[in-house]
Amino acid sequence: DVKVTQSSRYLVKRTGEKVFLECVQDMDHENMFWYRQDPGLGLRLIYFSYDVKMKEKGDIPEGYSVSREKKERFSLILESASTNQTSMYLCASSFARLIRPNNEQFFGPGTRLTVL
Amino acid sequence: LAKTTQPISMDSYEGQEVNITCSHNNIATNDYITWYQQFPSQGPRFIIQGYKTKVTNEVASLFIPADRKSSTLSLPRVSLSDTAVYYCLVAGRDSSYKLIFGSGTRLLVRP
Repeated sequence: DVKVTQSSRYLVKRTGEKVFLECVQDMDHENMFWYRQDPGLGLRLIYFSYDVKMKEKGDIPEGYSVSREKKERFSLILESASTNQTSMYLCASSFARLIRPNNEQFFGPGTRLTVL
Repeated sequence: LAKTTQPISMDSYEGQEVNITCSHNNIATNDYITWYQQFPSQGPRFIIQGYKTKVTNEVASLFIPADRKSSTLSLPRVSLSDTAVYYCLVAGRDSSYKLIFGSGTRLLVRP
């Protein structure tokens, strides 16, 4: 069974803090993704990575950065958290020998981040 | 800008067939259509994927017309445990990656 784990289920931070969200997958997947999920907006792609140290911006990368130093781990970083970054953050991974975004994604349980 | 549109919510009763349609007018030639199911406090889970015509697996069918501007997820004989949010996803690659989720359809199955 594919397992994608996220470091926290709930997180409360203050405006201006640097926030790290960690994601680990155990299936040797090449692709990893970070989304945020907001009511009425569905899932929106922040960043994704198709290999170690490789990354591409998604639809809403502003205010975020990512790091992928090891294949199994993908980190989302909020350099200076703001209240409008309060959201549910979902990590996902997928297998891809070739770069094909249509491959099935396996999601973690999510981290609900509140920025006060 | 590519966009996927789904109904916000649907109601059904146990044993009925449920059809959820997603509109994706700007779908590109290389794009695939995928549907995910999400329960509260969980991440989305893959249901089915297709490119054109009809795809069927053990839990659902996916109908895609020839122009591919819409797709319909069909759940046969729903049960209470099918109460969830269903998302369609249009994904592909041209000059860059594209992963466009719809805003989700909340399905409520009543006894």
